[in-house]
Amino acid sequence: EPEVTQTPSHQVTQMGQEVILRCVPISNHLYFYWYRQILGQKVEFLVSFYNNEISEKSEIFDDQFSVERPDGSNFTLKIRSTKLEDSAMYFCASSDLRGTYYGYTFGSGTRLTVV
Amino acid sequence: DQQVKQNSPSLSVQEGRISILNCDYTNSMFDYFLWYKKYPAEGPTFLISISSIKDKNEDGRFTVFLNKSAKHLSLHIVPSQPGDSAVYFCAANDAGTYKYIFGTGTRLKVLA
Repeated sequence: EPEVTQTPSHQVTQMGQEVILRCVPISNHLYFYWYRQILGQKVEFLVSFYNNEISEKSEIFDDQFSVERPDGSNFTLKIRSTKLEDSAMYFCASSDLRGTYYGYTFGSGTRLTVV
Repeated sequence: DQQVKQNSPSLSVQEGRISILNCDYTNSMFDYFLWYKKYPAEGPTFLISISSIKDKNEDGRFTVFLNKSAKHLSLHIVPSQPGDSAVYFCAANDAGTYKYIFGTGTRLKVLA
């Protein structure tokens, strides 16, 4: 079964440092997403990406965040200067349509700990 | 902004019985709803969906019911199995956006 792969599974970083979270979406999917879940809270939408550009972003996704699809397979989330409150599980997801019929396929997540 | 609410943080059910997980929403523009299951240390896994033009969708042991007038949906699992123990999230989308709004989740424990 095709899957979305995320690396690393756990990242610890110092406050103020830049981090890049990596994702390999399912190969024939066209829509890509980042969500996050702060411990004990709900899964929150960050950004969606289609046709090499951001299609939608939430208020969480401020200037500190950026996404990129540097080649045909990877999809990355960069946080420029991490804050303590960025500590969360970050989930990448992809879908072939807009996720309205079969939902997304999520990766296993990257646990980001900012110290 | 609690557009999607799952008011029961946890639920325990005996193996073989029915599990009913509930979800309420406030935005009448939502027209597509999904249920996801999540095990610890894994990403959410898609379970079942329903569009607002239907009131029921069934897939094996899983059935989702949608009551648009009450802005309420529920997931029924029959019969419940110990492997169903996980956190269940409902998520809602309106056709004008790409994002899904997730509920806070209900932790289901199926007792053997």
